[in-house]
Amino acid sequence: NAGVMQNPRHLVRRRGQEARLRCSPMKGHSHVYWYRQLPEEGLKFMVYLQKENIIDESGMPKERFSAEFPKEGPSILRIQQVVRGDSAAYFCASSTPDGYEQYFGPGTRLTVT
Amino acid sequence: GENVEQHPSTLSVQEGDSAVIKCTYSDSASNYFPWYKQELGKRPQLIIDIRSNVGEKKDQRIAVTLNKTAKHFSLHITETQPEDSAVYFCAASPISGGYNKLIFGAGTRLAVHP
Repeated sequence: NAGVMQNPRHLVRRRGQEARLRCSPMKGHSHVYWYRQLPEEGLKFMVYLQKENIIDESGMPKERFSAEFPKEGPSILRIQQVVRGDSAAYFCASSTPDGYEQYFGPGTRLTVT
Repeated sequence: GENVEQHPSTLSVQEGDSAVIKCTYSDSASNYFPWYKQELGKRPQLIIDIRSNVGEKKDQRIAVTLNKTAKHFSLHITETQPEDSAVYFCAASPISGGYNKLIFGAGTRLAVHP
């Protein structure tokens, strides 16, 4: 699972700034999922994407959060006008088209000051 | 929607003892049940999974059992070692057409004492 790449690993933003988190899935994987993990809590589903398509964004906050997975390049999770409550670890995971065995990246730890 | 309950939240065992973590799920359509191990500051790592057409699966010291009727599944770790210390998460998902939205339990913090 070392093949799922995320950057940056750590990101510090001041309130009101934008955060961009990147995820490159494992080779051969075309499905990307984003999860958020608040301190001392479990993982919460945010969004599921395939190339150029958002399949399910039911876990995404309605405002300030958006995600994309373009035809070329990594998937991006974008948080506009960050607030302190956005501080968390954001993990992406990828899977093969059958959906089984979802592998996680190392995560991006976002700190909002 | 799906809800996954996990117990206990913390578990402390002596090295060599067994550890059991239990999860229940609410959505009868769930058909895929993975377990992840997460060490401090690291990514969740898939350690074992089970599909709904199987009642039990074993991989060396780790085993998972599934009771579809009761909607619960369990992780069993035998001969625990200090390096087993971590947070363990269960998850459930109704995989359909490649769509695997994992719903996680709250986690169990396992401490194995030498």
